Amino acid sequence: DAGVTQSPTHLIKTRGQQVTLRCSPKSGHDTVSWYQQALGQGPQFIFQYYEEEERQRGNFPDRFSGHQFPNYSSELNVNALLLGDSALYLCASNLKTGGSYNEQFFGPGTRLTVL
Amino acid sequence: GEDVEQSLFLSVREGDSSVINCTYTDSSSTYLYWYKQEPGAGLQLLTYIFSNMDMKQDQRLTVLLNKKDKHLSLRIADTQTGDSAIYFCAGEGYNFNKFYFGSGTKLNVKP
Repeated sequence: DAGVTQSPTHLIKTRGQQVTLRCSPKSGHDTVSWYQQALGQGPQFIFQYYEEEERQRGNFPDRFSGHQFPNYSSELNVNALLLGDSALYLCASNLKTGGSYNEQFFGPGTRLTVL
Repeated sequence: GEDVEQSLFLSVREGDSSVINCTYTDSSSTYLYWYKQEPGAGLQLLTYIFSNMDMKQDQRLTVLLNKKDKHLSLRIADTQTGDSAIYFCAGEGYNFNKFYFGSGTKLNVKP
């Protein structure tokens, strides 16, 4: 059973460019969340997708957008990249069960470097 | 929002017990979590505790929760060099699965 997978593993971009990161959730999961982890920090919640809609959003600007596809996979898009966007981007998936405990599984992350 | 604070570093000798501490501000979390992150890897869930419990034991891991003081701790018994990693505590916001993480505690286990 494949866990959460993310692509690419590493990415280098320059300021002002746009980037798309991809995530495939664990088999059977329907909810995908994205987190940004800056060096030396804990992950910060960006947003969560369920039923192809953004359900919750953290304190991130509109330059950060996403999408969820009918097969539950997801993309994170970042426009007009800034140096401060350099971070490890983590995707997590879970099965939304309406409030009871359900474990979030994390992917290995995509390391984005903005020059 | 929720703030979660952790001490940055902990160094122990192999075979000793490690205790990693965490304080949080938002008491609405139904569950509180401990994650482990090894270099270059994602987050691995170690254990979690339901907010109405005081203690949970899972093999070498013991989680203590003091809701009054909003304090969570993780004790690792018989710490091994393979336990060297960064440990994050996390709470979930009012809406499930919107996790708030601390900055992480780097555990160094000396042989």
